[in-house]
Amino acid sequence: QKEVEQDPGPLSVPEGAIVSLNCTYSNSAFQYFMWYRQYSRKGPELLMYTYSSGNKEDGRFTAQVDKSSKYISLFIRDSQPSDSATYLCAMRTSYDKVIFGPGTSLSVIP
Amino acid sequence: DAGVTQSPTHLIKTRGQQVTLRCSPKSGHDTVSWYQQALGQGPQFIFQYYEEEERQRGNFPDRFSGHQFPNYSSELNVNALLLGDSALYLCASSFPPPSAGGNEQFFGPGTRLTVL
Repeated sequence: QKEVEQDPGPLSVPEGAIVSLNCTYSNSAFQYFMWYRQYSRKGPELLMYTYSSGNKEDGRFTAQVDKSSKYISLFIRDSQPSDSATYLCAMRTSYDKVIFGPGTSLSVIP
Repeated sequence: DAGVTQSPTHLIKTRGQQVTLRCSPKSGHDTVSWYQQALGQGPQFIFQYYEEEERQRGNFPDRFSGHQFPNYSSELNVNALLLGDSALYLCASSFPPPSAGGNEQFFGPGTRLTVL
């Protein structure tokens, strides 16, 4: 079993839809959780960072962490064609390296 | 602020050759991490440099080595290249290092290495 699992998609939604992206993980020691967006042939860009369980909102993006279920989510409201990219979840313990999921490819159709 | 910069952008090598990739961190950042991202996969941690020393290392063979200079810039060296080394190599910088409480890593655009 991989440490971090993520549905690779591709996921295709119409413009304006609410998008839900999810990751599951196996290491209960993970405490820091991140979501990155990566456009084709570019480096990952940090979207959201959360510590431990709970929700965090930033504009159209909401990150949720459920440590009891070892499950994290990223919601995108009012999705735009410019949101078309690969979304990577990432996580780590207090002192260890960052572990990335394989990424979910998202296409928002105008 | 130029952000994290990497050079070269693309590189083509043949099996058995050696390659050096370079990274300049974001201004004010002192920690550099290197990742390998194969096509369709998430980045895999190679190693991290802080205060000119390798602080953490992922599951990569000794063919992968690095260096950090006093100005915090860094190099990644790969010896005896294999076809499987073809990937996007990403550099990320942060301050302070994650083990000291730093969390936000800024990534460069990457160097795409093709091994023929």
